[in-house]
Amino acid sequence: AQSVTQLDSQVPVFEEAPVELRCNYSSSVSVYLFWYVQYPNQGLQLLLKYLSGSTLVKGINGFEAEFNKSQTSFHLRKPSVHISDTAEYFCAVIPFNNAGNMLTFGGGTRLMVKP
Amino acid sequence: DAGVIQSPRHEVTEMGQEVTLRCKPISGHNSLFWYRQTMMRGLELLIYFNNNVPIDDSGMPEDRFSAKMPNASFSTLKIQPSEPRDSAVYFCASSFGAGGAYEQYFGPGTRLTVT
Repeated sequence: AQSVTQLDSQVPVFEEAPVELRCNYSSSVSVYLFWYVQYPNQGLQLLLKYLSGSTLVKGINGFEAEFNKSQTSFHLRKPSVHISDTAEYFCAVIPFNNAGNMLTFGGGTRLMVKP
Repeated sequence: DAGVIQSPRHEVTEMGQEVTLRCKPISGHNSLFWYRQTMMRGLELLIYFNNNVPIDDSGMPEDRFSAKMPNASFSTLKIQPSEPRDSAVYFCASSFGAGGAYEQYFGPGTRLTVT
């Protein structure tokens, strides 16, 4: 079984400041890793994913994440946030050997960007 | 493409009533997922279909919940009888293929309130 832990339930930050949203996972097998964003009253939208190759992954809206296998982490970063980045962010995993694509989500981190 | 379509967007019903949530996946996608989102439990996968066949329903909470996919363009999630603890946002998602490399596209969700 897999589990995903997002260490911060809320992250307040001022506009144009950098931000890091933390994600750690636990799995007995190798996994694919994802970050999704959920804007208020909307469904989830994929920000980025790590499947293989370079451990630094770039996504939409200027976000990037780095896969660290030894620390089982996949932290999300943005060098300068905007008010429009205010949303909830979810880290998720799927095991390599999963014939389907059943995501296991973390509890989410609410990013609150202040002017 | 219109994306994943869910109806209704909001549903308010009384305890004991039957509730049916509907989902139209993106055309050409062959995998469909039903998720539930609550403050207490976060995002949970309820059931996963591939080529209209239920593959894993281990997340369905109890016999009061049932899901069908009669064809590639339509799925329903039914709760009968409904209870206040079923109040949540229910998301439908679809993907082009099975396997972790395929992105899941989420609908806007149905907010269910059971009084």
